[in-house]
Amino acid sequence: DGGITQSPKYLFRKEGQNVTLSCEQNLNHDAMYWYRQDPGQGLRLIYYSQIVNDFQKGDIAEGYSVSREKKESFPLTVTSAQKNPTAFYLCASRGWTGSGTEQYFGPGTRLTVT
Amino acid sequence: KNEVEQSPQNLTAQEGEFITINCSYSVGISALHWLQQHPGGGIVSLFMLSSGKKKHGRLIATINIQEKHSSLHITASHPRDSAVYICAVMEYGNKLVFGAGTILRVKS
Repeated sequence: DGGITQSPKYLFRKEGQNVTLSCEQNLNHDAMYWYRQDPGQGLRLIYYSQIVNDFQKGDIAEGYSVSREKKESFPLTVTSAQKNPTAFYLCASRGWTGSGTEQYFGPGTRLTVT
Repeated sequence: KNEVEQSPQNLTAQEGEFITINCSYSVGISALHWLQQHPGGGIVSLFMLSSGKKKHGRLIATINIQEKHSSLHITASHPRDSAVYICAVMEYGNKLVFGAGTILRVKS
């Protein structure tokens, strides 16, 4: 079955440490996205990539970095510069089928920084 | 003002009730998604629509492009429908903008 894998589901880190969240998809989608979810707020776009070796900042990119070396992988690094890193992080992908676009979301990673 | 507004924020219903969740948006869009998020956090896409109405089982989604409004209806609600329902609009340029979500609880 095709889909998006995010690991781990829960992640705990000490303040000041960088942490990398993984996102892998086997859907052959060109576009991949990272969103952050905070209680009571809609998902906000951190970074996105429309094609391998290219990515763009979203609305809240400060304190985050990404890479897109392979089509199926889009890891997100939460750096120590991110002031409020504790949140739920969702990876998504979008691709084009014969009948239109399809949008998939991963299961998410809940990051807690203390 | 958020670009995507959902109402209500919270909804408690009795099993069997007909449920409506509303979504209004203020920008031009190419499509609108209704998503479901269960307590574990993973999100499932329920519908993507750009006009008219779609139905899948007990779920019905409608959209009125002129009024910039969409509704998600659940008929014969069941406790397993309890989840967060999220409206997201696809702006031109393929950017998704999300509503804050509606927390639905269906009691048996």
